[in-house]
Amino acid sequence: GAGVSQSPSNKVTEKGKDVELRCDPISGHTALYWYRQSLGQGLEFLIYFQGNSAPDKSGLPSDRFSAERTGGSVSTLTIQRTQQEDSAVYLCASSLFGGQGGYQPQHFGDGTRLSIL
Amino acid sequence: AQSVTQPDIHITVSEGASLELRCNYSYGATPYLFWYVQSPGQGLQLLLKYFSGDTLVQGIKGFEAEFKRSQSSFNLRKPSVHWSDAAEYFCAVGGGGSNYKLTFGKGTLLTVNP
Repeated sequence: GAGVSQSPSNKVTEKGKDVELRCDPISGHTALYWYRQSLGQGLEFLIYFQGNSAPDKSGLPSDRFSAERTGGSVSTLTIQRTQQEDSAVYLCASSLFGGQGGYQPQHFGDGTRLSIL
Repeated sequence: AQSVTQPDIHITVSEGASLELRCNYSYGATPYLFWYVQSPGQGLQLLLKYFSGDTLVQGIKGFEAEFKRSQSSFNLRKPSVHWSDAAEYFCAVGGGGSNYKLTFGKGTLLTVNP
């Protein structure tokens, strides 16, 4: 079946521009996560959505970062006024919710490689 | 706070040799432990997971991992490595209940020599 789909796969933009990254989760997965993977910091949690609950935004590095999830499915991560330190691979994951201990394995997309010039 | 340490940044093995990748975690309660693999330009693929029960867990591609609570370790093993196993491997820890976030180690890059 279809996995997590992210677009674009690569994005190059100039410093100061806004960018939008898209994530289509696996059908039926109610939980959606964004992570950032960079050389210096490794893999970092950014934000989590679960159903209609308020998202957990505790991992967002600054107020230039925001995300939304429309209709409980597709999510968009927006970075405003991009800086060079925003260059990284942005990974999206989705999972079922509940089950043993309320925990389900996360399934990852291939990521969006963002380069800020 | 939860944390994961992968002591080996880079490991090189010969094809057919055995492999062990180390992972140590810090977590205040019973952890949920995962190993993911990432090939260049790809996302993360789940190799195996430990939630509870048998401390030796089997995964895909012939990998296994053993949970040792006393050592706070969750090492990944494979008896005979194939060239296609060359990739980066990440250990991750997450909690139960509302602690759904995964905390990842820095990764171990595996090189396989012919």
